[in-house]
Amino acid sequence: QSVLTQPPSASGTPGQTVDISCSGSSSNIGVNYVFWYQQLPGAAPKLLIYKSDQRPSGVPDRFSGSKSATSASLAIRGLRSEDEADYYCAAWDDRLSGYVFGPGTRVTVL
Amino acid sequence: QVQVVQSATEVKKPGASVRVSCKTSGYSFTSYALHWVRQAPGQRLEWMGWINTGNGNTKYSQKFQDRVTMSRDTSATTGYMDLSSLTSEDTAVYYCASGLTGPVDYWGQGTLVIVSS
Repeated sequence: QSVLTQPPSASGTPGQTVDISCSGSSSNIGVNYVFWYQQLPGAAPKLLIYKSDQRPSGVPDRFSGSKSATSASLAIRGLRSEDEADYYCAAWDDRLSGYVFGPGTRVTVL
Repeated sequence: QVQVVQSATEVKKPGASVRVSCKTSGYSFTSYALHWVRQAPGQRLEWMGWINTGNGNTKYSQKFQDRVTMSRDTSATTGYMDLSSLTSEDTAVYYCASGLTGPVDYWGQGTLVIVSS
């Protein structure tokens, strides 16, 4: 059973907006920042969003993060074929005293 | 430019130990914590722990606490992850990641560890 839950898949056509949810609890998202990672096929993950809504340098502003209570979401606007990847949310969990990842959401561009 | 290069694929027998190295260059090694994350085939990312590259303090995931050791050599700007008592469930790609939680993150290419009799 996952500490963080995400939908297994999401899809959209080029140019559309895709939203990916991440649900947690009072011991993780409820009290700590959320992070989002993109993992392209066969590659190492890459940080997309840190501190719930901040983008690292070089990440396009098509990617945005938000957080409310014990849930978070990642929005990908203007979907492109190169956005096909697995997306993972993550947060520190105070109860487990460790960093936890969600199960990942596979985004497909139709 | 920043480079993070991990050691090559390892094949181990059950019960053995493995050491994965993570050689960094192009940035200040001690400015960021070094995390270790693994990914079993077709599975999610799994955080194993991190080491404060400045003072060497470590924090391990409860799951691995009894059999993982993380260390670093600041003069060589290299981190190490030792995992003991391997089982087939430890077959995975192991990543090191400097600054995992931003605002920068530098990842190694991953090291495949195969545990098989």
